[in-house]
Amino acid sequence: KAGVTQTPRYLIKTRGQQVTLSCSPISGHRSVSWYQQTPGQGLQFLFEYFSETQRNKGNFPGRFSGRQFSNSRSEMNVSTLELGDSALYLCASSHRDRPTHMSYGYTFGSGTRLTVV
Amino acid sequence: KNEVEQSPQNLTAQEGEFITINCSYSVGISALHWLQQHPGGGIVSLFMLSSGKKKHGRLIATINIQEKHSSLHITASHPRDSAVYICAGPYGGSQGNLIFGKGTKLSVKP
Repeated sequence: KAGVTQTPRYLIKTRGQQVTLSCSPISGHRSVSWYQQTPGQGLQFLFEYFSETQRNKGNFPGRFSGRQFSNSRSEMNVSTLELGDSALYLCASSHRDRPTHMSYGYTFGSGTRLTVV
Repeated sequence: KNEVEQSPQNLTAQEGEFITINCSYSVGISALHWLQQHPGGGIVSLFMLSSGKKKHGRLIATINIQEKHSSLHITASHPRDSAVYICAGPYGGSQGNLIFGKGTKLSVKP
C-alpha cells in the first residue's frame, strides 16, 4: 500500500517567486492536512481539506493557499516567497472525517524541504 | 491560550533504560497524538488516544483527561529509538488542526 507522497522532496526558490507543492494521500483517504515546520516555530498547522473543501486554516498570511482535487490529491501554493518561508512542509492524510479512537489516525508524508534564497 | 507543553526538551539515555516523555495540554484539545520524527524529517504517527492507555511493542502511551496530561514510555530503549518525539492535539473539533508541542529530542547511547 503506497504511503503519502509529497513532491518535490527538495526545492530552492528565490524571494518573490511562487511555489506549488503537491501531496498525494493514501488511496481512500479523503482528509489531507498541511503543516509547516521551522526550527524557530516548530510544527504549525496550515490547512485541512476534506472532499475538496477547506475545513480549517491556520494562522498564516493569505500568501499561503491550497486546494484539494476530486481524487483527494492536494496542492499548496505560496506566493511572493519570503526568506522566512524556508521550512519543511508536511502533509498528512486520514480516512476519517472526525477525530478517531484508532491508534494510527494519521499518515504523514516525508515532506518537501523548501529553501528560499 | 491553547497550547501543548512537552518535557524534557532533550533526553539522553543508555541502551536498555526506561524512558518517559511528558506532555501537558490546555483546554480545547479532545485527544492527543504522539509522533516520532527521525533526522531527515519524516514523521510517523505512533499513537492517537483520548483515554486510558495504548501499547505498541515497546511503546506505551497514557493519557489522563482530567489532569490534561499524557506520557509516552519506551521500555528497553535502543539506539534506533533516537528521534524527536512530538505530542500534538487536535483543536476545536477539527482532526487536522493540530497544536504541536516543541518536541523532545531523545538520544539513546549504546
